[in-house]
Amino acid sequence: QVQLVESGGGVVQPGRSLRLSCAASGFTFSSYGMHWVRQAPGKGLEWVAVISYDGSDKYYADSVRGRFTISRGNSKNTLYLQINSLRPEDTAVYYCAKAARTVTTPLQYWGQGTLVTVSS
Amino acid sequence: QTVVTQEPSFSVSPGGTVTLTCGLSSGSVSTSSYPSWYQQTPGQAPRTLIYNTNTRSSGVPDRFSGSILGNKAALTITGARAVDESDYYCVLYMDSGIWVFGGGTKLTVL
Repeated sequence: QVQLVESGGGVVQPGRSLRLSCAASGFTFSSYGMHWVRQAPGKGLEWVAVISYDGSDKYYADSVRGRFTISRGNSKNTLYLQINSLRPEDTAVYYCAKAARTVTTPLQYWGQGTLVTVSS
Repeated sequence: QTVVTQEPSFSVSPGGTVTLTCGLSSGSVSTSSYPSWYQQTPGQAPRTLIYNTNTRSSGVPDRFSGSILGNKAALTITGARAVDESDYYCVLYMDSGIWVFGGGTKLTVL
């Protein structure tokens, strides 16, 4: 079955960088778009970014464009999210999610999330 | 910027039927928005209920259904159970690869 396991979260100082990973299994990773979504403590879900099956197309929420970079390693079945110049408002649980197919198809399967806390 | 709207809260009696909606601050929701619905209980990851308007995700009971009602997407729960008490989120495709979640609806079953 589809499994998505996020890692790389932790406590980070403001201004630093962090790379999150999402290890995928149970499906042909290289054939599907992949999303990142975050949820600040006590808040709702916020869509962050999506990447196409081959990495050629990437789209970002306005709130993160320019600081976040989504990428993927299809040979490693792994999705990544590089976060630069971290801010306290980036504190959230970050989820990866498999798209139903392409970047224009909805989020279908979710990981359990990894918590990023930005604090000095 | 377009905002996706949901009822902040809703209450339903056990066994009752409730319809949650997902709209746009400007414009109408259509199947081209690929509306999808997610259920989340505290401390847990979201669970996909419905995607592409009305496709039920694997393992989701048939008491959950999705549709377009007027100018909004809708999630209907028929025969609500206590276990359905959760937060429900919709997401819409906005074009140019951008997706936006609604603020979520807190459903109480009592």
